[in-house]
Amino acid sequence: NAGVTQTPKFQVLKTGQSMTLQCAQDMNHNSMYWYRQDPGMGLRLIYYSASEGTTDKGEVPNGYNVSRLNKREFSLRLESAAPSQTSVYFCASTGPGGAYGYTFGSGTRLTVV
Amino acid sequence: KNQVEQSPQSLIILEGKNCTLQCNYTVSPFSNLRWYKQDTGRGPVSLTIMTFSENTKSNGRYTATLDADTKQSSLHITASQLSDSASYICVVSRNYGGSQGNLIFGKGTKLSVKP
Repeated sequence: NAGVTQTPKFQVLKTGQSMTLQCAQDMNHNSMYWYRQDPGMGLRLIYYSASEGTTDKGEVPNGYNVSRLNKREFSLRLESAAPSQTSVYFCASTGPGGAYGYTFGSGTRLTVV
Repeated sequence: KNQVEQSPQSLIILEGKNCTLQCNYTVSPFSNLRWYKQDTGRGPVSLTIMTFSENTKSNGRYTATLDADTKQSSLHITASQLSDSASYICVVSRNYGGSQGNLIFGKGTKLSVKP
């Protein structure tokens, strides 16, 4: 099915470990995003990539890095995980101007202990 | 400050009943308003999107309204079904340059439909 695919779906890390969350879309969308969702809060933007080759910080970028590998793939890296990064992470993509809404992946539930 | 406030925080209704969810926003400059449905353990799925000039839009049993003057929106669900149990998120997009990365999310209303 066409859409946004995220891997892994679940992950437990120890404090200080690193990992990369993968995201791929097959809708030929230009723009891709990484959000985190915490209980009692709205989704917050971590990083986004308006087009292939560009990335920009969102609202909560500290502790994260991203790579727009090609038009399809946008990865999120935690270099040294902290308990405050325990969250559900969503990748999303959208076409030009976002006119048709954002398509979200099913999420990665990350726990840092 | 750009904010999106939703009410109620949670709602329980009986199957077959109607309900209305509210969204108030203080986002400027306004581009569009979207309603998303998020099932437990899944990503949000778009229900409707409305621009400044649109004041109502339907998607099956879901009808969204927008009053850009009062900066209020509502999502009305008709003849609720058990599958409507989910969180409903109001999202306002700022018209800021290319409008990339300028979505302001509400915290959502958690709807439970009981048999």
